[in-house]
Amino acid sequence: GAGVSQSPRYKVAKRGQDVALRCDPISGHVSLFWYQQALGQGPEFLTYFQNEAQLDKSGLPSDRFFAERPEGSVSTLKIQRTQQEDSAVYLCASSLGEATGAFFGQGTRLTVV
Amino acid sequence: KNEVEQSPQNLTAQEGEFITINCSYSVGISALHWLQQHPGGGIVSLFMLSSGKKKHGRLIATINIQEKHSSLHITASHPRDSAVYICAVKTSGSRLTFGEGTQLTVNP
Repeated sequence: GAGVSQSPRYKVAKRGQDVALRCDPISGHVSLFWYQQALGQGPEFLTYFQNEAQLDKSGLPSDRFFAERPEGSVSTLKIQRTQQEDSAVYLCASSLGEATGAFFGQGTRLTVV
Repeated sequence: KNEVEQSPQNLTAQEGEFITINCSYSVGISALHWLQQHPGGGIVSLFMLSSGKKKHGRLIATINIQEKHSSLHITASHPRDSAVYICAVKTSGSRLTFGEGTQLTVNP
């Protein structure tokens, strides 16, 4: 596609439910990032992939968060046993390489009730 | 103290005014981004800078590496410029560290 695509756009989950958020980066983009943006705040880094390798996952807030990019293109961010504090917009960004600009998806707004 | 600080947090202007948003950072960086975020979450990259100045239409971005400071200027502001403007820096590795954003409202 022409841009970074994320799905779903909106997700409401009951506390304790598992969710999976999908990111389709721009074709050919090597780098892929996940960010979490709480209401009224700037995005916070979660994790980074270069191709299929997860090079940095230091931003994942707990072991309930897991991300994968098995074939170096589509990525999935999974949150197990969701809690209310997980409510946020989850942003995916991709770039051609480390020295190039990042393109962001529209984000997935997760609300845990 | 955040690694990236923006000012002001909120800015209201009248159409036509010249607008400046500031960004200061406290870490070594390889690049700095200015991003625009509209309601609904979509983020658009406006500029990526590592030195000097860039201009695109009515938008101008400058960076002073020695002073660890960048500014985003909007000339002849328009209500459609209303959005959150975010400064983000690329530090070690490839991650971006974001400022809190500046909410700009331009009134007609």
